[in-house]
Amino acid sequence: SAVISQKPSRDICQRGTSLTIQCQVDSQVTMMFWYRQQPGQSLTLIATANQGSEATYESGFVIDKFPISRPNLTFSTLTVSNMSPEDSSIYLCSVQPRVETQYFGPGTRLLVL
Amino acid sequence: QKEVEQDPGPLSVPEGAIVSLNCTYSNSAFQYFMWYRQYSRKGPELLMYTYSSGNKEDGRFTAQVDKSSKYISLFIRDSQPSDSATYLCAMSAIGGAQKLVFGQGTRLTINP
Repeated sequence: SAVISQKPSRDICQRGTSLTIQCQVDSQVTMMFWYRQQPGQSLTLIATANQGSEATYESGFVIDKFPISRPNLTFSTLTVSNMSPEDSSIYLCSVQPRVETQYFGPGTRLLVL
Repeated sequence: QKEVEQDPGPLSVPEGAIVSLNCTYSNSAFQYFMWYRQYSRKGPELLMYTYSSGNKEDGRFTAQVDKSSKYISLFIRDSQPSDSATYLCAMSAIGGAQKLVFGQGTRLTINP
């Protein structure tokens, strides 16, 4: 398995501001993913981030709203830009060390006022 | 219709009972099937994964996949209060970025 940490663990932000979430893995992995889990809902994939290439976004998510960086094989950031209350959610990063498994970080709980 | 359907529950059973959790899916390209457990205010924890059809057992947990019916199950034997959590099924197709598609999650409570 992989050990994944995220910062911050939680935050309360004002609408119109931006928040950058960090994801750190204890081993080198090619593929990292960012998910959103809205209150009482399941997980929805935002984008896939491979080191050295542009992130691939899922339908309904755009780079201007959720820019992602992947500077090396153990680290990634997701920025939630120009936030609104609808962005209040849990944001999770995950890694895929083997084709059949994905491991998740503890999540970042975001509340936008 | 959602690609993956999972009864959200909630499901409440007495300690020691056998629990059956299920998901159905519509995409025949799915080949990898996973079950995650998520405790309140925590990230999902991978419990079990299976490839294609068949059964897999790990301690008190058994995962079953029936591709002909597009139906997967997770059985928990001798359930414990510590098993109380939300259980999420997830699946992906072969190749590419292995995008996971999740079910809605079933909230399970084991009563002492």
